[in-house]
Amino acid sequence: AQSVAQPEDQVNVAEGNPLTVKCTYSVSGNPYLFWYVQYPNRGLQFLLKYITGDNLVKGSYGFEAEFNKSQTSFHLKKPSALVSDSALYFCAVRAGKNTGFQKLVFGTGTRLLVSP
Amino acid sequence: EAGVAQSPRYKIIEKRQSVAFWCNPISGHATLYWYQQILGQGPKLLIQFQNNGVVDDSQLPKDRFSAERLKGVDSTLKIQPAKLEDSAVYLCASSPLGGLAVYEQYFGPGTRLTVT
Repeated sequence: AQSVAQPEDQVNVAEGNPLTVKCTYSVSGNPYLFWYVQYPNRGLQFLLKYITGDNLVKGSYGFEAEFNKSQTSFHLKKPSALVSDSALYFCAVRAGKNTGFQKLVFGTGTRLLVSP
Repeated sequence: EAGVAQSPRYKIIEKRQSVAFWCNPISGHATLYWYQQILGQGPKLLIQFQNNGVVDDSQLPKDRFSAERLKGVDSTLKIQPAKLEDSAVYLCASSPLGGLAVYEQYFGPGTRLTVT
């Protein structure tokens, strides 16, 4: 079964420093990987996706993610963190082989706290 | 464009009562999803519609949960009767049918259900 793991419940970083939120995946076949962000009392917002192509994927709000097939990882990164980046981040993988079956399986989430 | 709309935003009911949630997806999006997000966990897919047909309802507790999307646009998710463990945020999401955008799901703000 497709799954993702987010090993850290919380990541703390100072504003201006680089940040990394970790995600590892387990899939059969080619992975379709996603990052979403959730602000308090709001729904999830799409950040970026990896379908195929370059291993470094750029997304919204200056975030990027690096796909590493040998390590089965898809870590979210940002060169310089902002206090406003503080939120809950979810990694997800597509489950289902057909394009009509876009079921996403989410990780447990990582809370990012950026201090001033 | 307008985002995914959900109502109500909050609902408190007693166990064994019934409750219904409404979702209006982004205009033109053929696929609609209902997720359940329990506190501290990632969202879990309950049911997926493509137009007005069910694509995946494998994780929907069918003895108490039901959902419909009669005209292929808005959707209703019902719980009858509710249990304490149904306390969660219910998220609706939608995505278009074709192209690479099919892999991006757009989420509504969610309905926070508390069962007492």
